[in-house]
Formats: sequence, structure tokens, C-alpha cells
Amino acid sequence: KNEVEQSPQNLTAQEGEFITINCSYSVGISALHWLQQHPGGGIVSLFMLSSGKKKHGRLIATINIQEKHSSLHITASHPRDSAVYICAAYYGGSQGNLIFGKGTKLSVKP
Amino acid sequence: DAGITQSPRHKVTETGTPVTLRCHQTENHRYMYWYRQDPGHGLRLIHYSYGVKDTDKGEVSDGYSVSRSKTEDFLLTLESATSSQTSVYFCAISGNTGELFFGEGSRLTVL
Repeated sequence: KNEVEQSPQNLTAQEGEFITINCSYSVGISALHWLQQHPGGGIVSLFMLSSGKKKHGRLIATINIQEKHSSLHITASHPRDSAVYICAAYYGGSQGNLIFGKGTKLSVKP
Repeated sequence: DAGITQSPRHKVTETGTPVTLRCHQTENHRYMYWYRQDPGHGLRLIHYSYGVKDTDKGEVSDGYSVSRSKTEDFLLTLESATSSQTSVYFCAISGNTGELFFGEGSRLTVL
């Protein structure tokens, strides 16, 4: 069964710290998504990547296809970054082959 | 922001009643999805659509049906709601690039 594992489940950081959230998947994928969900809020797509690295502002996403692993980095973290971060792996073929991790809850303290 | 809206946003209903959630998009995207989100689980796919009148089941489709008679609308129906269907339901859309856009969610409580 295709699976997606995220770590850590919960993360507390001080404002300004560098943050890393990890995502691993079980077999080869076509693409990987990083999503953000604020408390009580909707879900926003941050990145979709299939190789290498992408950067948007203070957010950086990387993927290592050989190691079946992706990371989301947040530089100079801020309390407004507090949210749940979700990775999702698209295994190709049917559009239904998108498997979500359970999310990492990030809290950034001022 | 992608034009995707869900309705209703909140609903409380009783066991055994039918419920329909609506997802409406203005992006003309081909793919539409219904997910449910529950504590301790990742988002789980209920049903998805790859075109008008073209739908397929997801991981947790039992007790749910869908219809897509127009590109812009994807309806999720619970024929006879049960307490286990209390959840937050998200609609999502994607086009040819594969990027996902989510609605704001519909919170359903079945008493």
C-alpha cells in the first residue's frame, strides 16, 4: 500500500528559527505536494515538485527521488507560519492516486 | 485565488437524513475531488471526477455518491447520513498542471 509519512507530528519553534518538516513515501512517485492549513481554515497549495528544489519567499521545498524523501524548510520563522503542513504524494496513473500525510502541526512562538 | 466555493459551509443534520454538498468552480478545471478530513487521518479521497459524467470511487466511498452534470459543479450526496460521516469535507480541483486548489471546507455534524 502506498504510504506517506511525515515527521515530526508536532513542532514548536521560536520566532526566527529555521524549521524543517520531513516527508517520506514508499515507492516512486510522479509529483509531491506541500500544503498549508491554518487553524479553522482552508487548505492552500504551497509547492508541487517532482525533482530538485523550489523556493517561494521564506519557504523552500526539496525532494530526493532516490531516497524517496522531501523536506519543507521555513527560514526566519514567524508566528504567522503557525499552521498544519501536509505533504501529499501523487503516484501517477489515476487522478485518485494522491496519498496524504497526516500533517505536521507547527507552532511558532514570538 | 482559484475560484472554488463550497456550500453549505456548516450543516447539522440528523441520522438518516439525506445531505448534499456542492462544489462550484469557475476555473474550468477538468478534475474535481471530494475529501474528508478527520482527526488522526490524512485527507482521504471519497470520490473524484475527470470530466462531466465521469466519476470514480476513492478510498472511503461507501455511503457517498457524486454527480457531475456540468464542468463547474460537483455534488456529494449522503443518501442517509450516519454519525460516522461527521467530518469536514473539502472539495479540490486541478487542471493539466496538476496543481491543487481547495475549497474552504464544509463542516458536517450528524446527530
